[in-house]
Amino acid sequence: GQQVMQIPQYQHVQEGEDFTTYCNSSTTLSNIQWYKQRPGGHPVFLIQLVKSGEVKKQKRLTFQFGEAKKNSSLHITATQTTDVGTYFCAGRSTNAGKSTFGDGTTLTVKP
Amino acid sequence: EAGVAQSPRYKIIEKRQSVAFWCNPISGHATLYWYQQILGQGPKLLIQFQNNGVVDDSQLPKDRFSAERLKGVDSTLKIQPAKLEDSAVYLCASSSGLAGAQYFGPGTRLTVT
Repeated sequence: GQQVMQIPQYQHVQEGEDFTTYCNSSTTLSNIQWYKQRPGGHPVFLIQLVKSGEVKKQKRLTFQFGEAKKNSSLHITATQTTDVGTYFCAGRSTNAGKSTFGDGTTLTVKP
Repeated sequence: EAGVAQSPRYKIIEKRQSVAFWCNPISGHATLYWYQQILGQGPKLLIQFQNNGVVDDSQLPKDRFSAERLKGVDSTLKIQPAKLEDSAVYLCASSSGLAGAQYFGPGTRLTVT
């Protein structure tokens, strides 16, 4: 079945440093979504990417969808303590139609 | 706009007992999902409904888990009998369409002892 891998599993940064998490799918995706889950909370939708090579920005967050539609990345510029949490990607396969979540990257930010 | 509602928020049961979770999606959302999230892992899809029909239940352990969405609105997920490995957070989510953004409820934290 479809597999979605995320790296790294954990990332510890100093406040102000940049952060990137990568998402790789074993199959071609029709779209990819990114979610953020704060400690003790539930996943919250951030963004959806659909087109090959698509880049979207939300303030300090930059999301990219690979040309082959099998990988994606989330980059945070100048991290803040409010960025703490686990970032999940969810890839929707072109044939199965269902979304598969990766196991997330947990970001901690030291003030 | 009200979000996804779930109850109960916490449940502790002994193994071999049964338990049921309830979910009320965002009004107008046709697609409803049940996920199991084990600590340190991403949400794992158990079942997906489109209105009152099942779209995907390939990862639902059907010997012990069941779910229904009879009127195409709220939904219940049942486990009978529970096993220790069922300890997890059960998340309900809804979306307006099959490929849209998913909006999650607060989840039910289940502990099986």
